[in-house]
Amino acid sequence: NAGVTQTPKFRILKIGQSMTLQCTQDMNHNYMYWYRQDPGMGLKLIYYSVGAGITDKGEVPNGYNVSRSTTEDFPLRLELAAPSQTSVYFCASSYGQGSGEQYFGPGTRLTVT
Amino acid sequence: KQEVTQIPAALSVPEGENLVLNCSFTDSAIYNLQWFRQDPGKGLTSLLLIQSSQREQTSGRLNASLDKSSGRSTLYIAASQPGDSATYLCATRDDKIIFGKGTRLHILP
Repeated sequence: NAGVTQTPKFRILKIGQSMTLQCTQDMNHNYMYWYRQDPGMGLKLIYYSVGAGITDKGEVPNGYNVSRSTTEDFPLRLELAAPSQTSVYFCASSYGQGSGEQYFGPGTRLTVT
Repeated sequence: KQEVTQIPAALSVPEGENLVLNCSFTDSAIYNLQWFRQDPGKGLTSLLLIQSSQREQTSGRLNASLDKSSGRSTLYIAASQPGDSATYLCATRDDKIIFGKGTRLHILP
């Protein structure tokens, strides 16, 4: 049972490039989330999903896209990378609506230059 | 709009002391409140989850309380150890999940 895994761990992008951050969980959780964490700040929710085929925007969705074709996977896509997207990205999952404890992945550190 | 505040932003205490970390929130209509620990360069580790119907949860040397009416939660750490040094974050959950900015705790050996 690996929990929540994320790849890559680190990535440097040039402005305008695109990439996909991968997230996989093996706990059969229906809820999955993407957050970004900027230095000295708390986490801000980018997108979330309540189950396969269903996604919704969080606080800061602009510049990102997601898909949820399976219960296990929830990739985050950056289409035109901008310096403002330099951050640490965390994926999380939980079971159930409202009451579920969240489990986090180790994070992806992204730098856009 | 829910706002979650953690004060102080940083705290240093000598090893062995008991300490309390604070988390306040503006909207009491929450499903639950969760406390996390984050070590430098790492992800978040869940410490305690308190449902809205509960008043407290305990795990080992940790005890978290929830008072929805006053919009407050506290995380009590007993007999602090250098290994407790980390950033502690709280998060409320209603339709959205809102995190505080965390308290950076340093336990002095």
